[in-house]
Amino acid sequence: AQTVTQSQPEMSVQEAETVTLSCTYDTSENNYYLFWYKQPPSRQMILVIRQEAYKQQNATENRFSVNFQKAAKSFSLKISDSQLGDTAMYFCAFMKHASNTGKLIFGQGTTLQVKP
Amino acid sequence: NAGVTQTPKFRILKIGQSMTLQCTQDMNHNYMYWYRQDPGMGLKLIYYSVGAGITDKGEVPNGYNVSRSTTEDFPLRLELAAPSQTSVYFCASSYSWTRPNNEQFFGPGTRLTVL
Repeated sequence: AQTVTQSQPEMSVQEAETVTLSCTYDTSENNYYLFWYKQPPSRQMILVIRQEAYKQQNATENRFSVNFQKAAKSFSLKISDSQLGDTAMYFCAFMKHASNTGKLIFGQGTTLQVKP
Repeated sequence: NAGVTQTPKFRILKIGQSMTLQCTQDMNHNYMYWYRQDPGMGLKLIYYSVGAGITDKGEVPNGYNVSRSTTEDFPLRLELAAPSQTSVYFCASSYSWTRPNNEQFFGPGTRLTVL
């Protein structure tokens, strides 16, 4: 069974600085997807970024980028130029490629506070 | 498009009562999911559906039932509510499980308290 672990329950960063959130996962699969979702205080889950395991190039979306280390089963999220609106809970999630179901397995989440 | 809508937003149940959480999406998505989120935790999959008439259990299905008679609707039924079902419930949908269409869109959630 796949598991996703986020070892940092809480983090904080000063506005305009850079922060990295950690995520590790355990799987015997070779092909899969990894996601970072953001949950602000409004509770609405929003996709931040996704990565396909067979792509070596790290995904980027504006200020958000990932460091995907397949051999180490690590998938960290880097937020550059942090903004107050980035304050949220961030979830790392895993999807098995071969499942044909799209089932997501979530980590426990990291609460990020951006300070002015 | 309204996206994924859920009703009600909040509900308090007494132990042993039953209720249905409604979920509707207007994006013509084939795949729909129900998750629960306990305080300070990640989301856990309760049930999912890959199309009308097809449903299957997720990680934590006990105490719940679902149906999928239409593409748009995916209600979650709680029978004999228990305090352990106190949680926030999220419905989500996606067009497919492969890129580029495997982003799951989430509803705003239903906060359920069982006393």
